[in-house]
Parts: sequence; structure tokens; C-alpha cells
Amino acid sequence: SYVVTQAPSVSVAPGQTASISCGGDNIGGESVHWYQQRPGQAPILIMYSDSHRPAGIPERFSGSISANTATLTITRVEVGDEADYYCHMWNRGSDRRVFGGGTKLTVL
Amino acid sequence: QVLLVESGGGVVQPGRSPRLSCAAYGFRFRNYPMNWVRQAPGKWLEWVATISDDGTNQNYADSVKGRFTISRDNSKNKLFLQVNSLRDDDTAVYYCARERDGGYFDFWGQGTLVTVSS
Repeated sequence: SYVVTQAPSVSVAPGQTASISCGGDNIGGESVHWYQQRPGQAPILIMYSDSHRPAGIPERFSGSISANTATLTITRVEVGDEADYYCHMWNRGSDRRVFGGGTKLTVL
Repeated sequence: QVLLVESGGGVVQPGRSPRLSCAAYGFRFRNYPMNWVRQAPGKWLEWVATISDDGTNQNYADSVKGRFTISRDNSKNKLFLQVNSLRDDDTAVYYCARERDGGYFDFWGQGTLVTVSS
């Protein structure tokens, strides 16, 4: 089965830039999506198809992708950005939806 | 306004077979594939199953294939997950989510907690 990997945690100071990565074999050949989940809440879509922001998501959030890594970048990080972030993709080869293990963003 | 409301969770004995429901509001339900995603306490999101917009195609994670059945009633705007032969490791919050072209989940319900306990 297809596996995507995320670092368990990322820490950043307020106002700085956070980069959250999602790795997978030839992930650049798929569309990667990102969700934010605050404690006790349902996930929220914050990026779809690699680099598209849904309505209402601040421009501070951006996405990019290369051959084997997708990256969510958050500039001018705020305390309110502290949450778990999950990457997600539909691996068409196996016809399986796959989530990464999540990255906990801590704002110091 | 799109709204998804799950129900059917609770404390369930091992081996029992509850059915989870997801009621959809505010959009043309029959036009969208739907999914179930679960999250064990303190753990990550795990995709469980997908059903096509017309209900004719289903797809399952290997961890639940053969035990869980996803279905839908487009006349009632409802999604279901029949969970058979519950095990301890099925304890989780179960979310329903709407899928868009490209495979992303744009709306999620608040989830229903299933706790497997004797």
C-alpha cells in the first residue's frame, strides 16, 4: 500500500515561517491536499490540489510540490495556527485515499 | 450552507454491529462521492471507505475490507457505514466527508465516537 510520511512535529516562533512536509514515492504525480485540525474539532480543508486555497483560507498558507515531497508553508505564523496538519492524496494506482500521519505545529 | 451530521456512535460491545449514519444538508447530495474517515483517540486520520455519487461503486481501506459496508440513500440524503464484528481497535471518532473532483474532502461532519468496550 502507498505510504506518505510526515514529521511528527514542527515548532516555530510567532511571525516566523513554518514548513510542513509530506513525503511519498513519486508524490509529485498525484494531487496532494492539506487539512488543519485543532484539538477536539473536525479537520478543515486548507489546501487542495497541491497549491489551491479554499475560500476563507488566509494567503499566509501556500502549497507546493516536487517529485517526492509536498510542502505546506505558513508565513507570519500566529498562535492560532497551532494545530495538527495532515496531508492527503488519492493514490490512483491503488485506488486508495491516503493520509499522512500528521504534523503537530507548535507556536513557541 | 453545507452541513454533515453523523450519528449512531456510543459504547458498543466487541463483536456487535452498529450502523453509523450521516445526514447531509445544504447541497445536492446525489452529485457527490462521500467518504468515512476515522481517528482513534490521540491518533491520526485514517481513510475508511468511499462510495460513488450514485452508490454503485465502493472502495475500502484494507483494515476494514470485508467487515465494514458503506452505502447511501440519495432519496433521503443519507450516508451509512455498517460496522460488523467490532474490535477494540475500531474505537475512534468516525467522520463523514464530502469529496470533490480531484479527491479532496471539502466538508466534514463533527464526527461520532464509537467506543468498543465490554
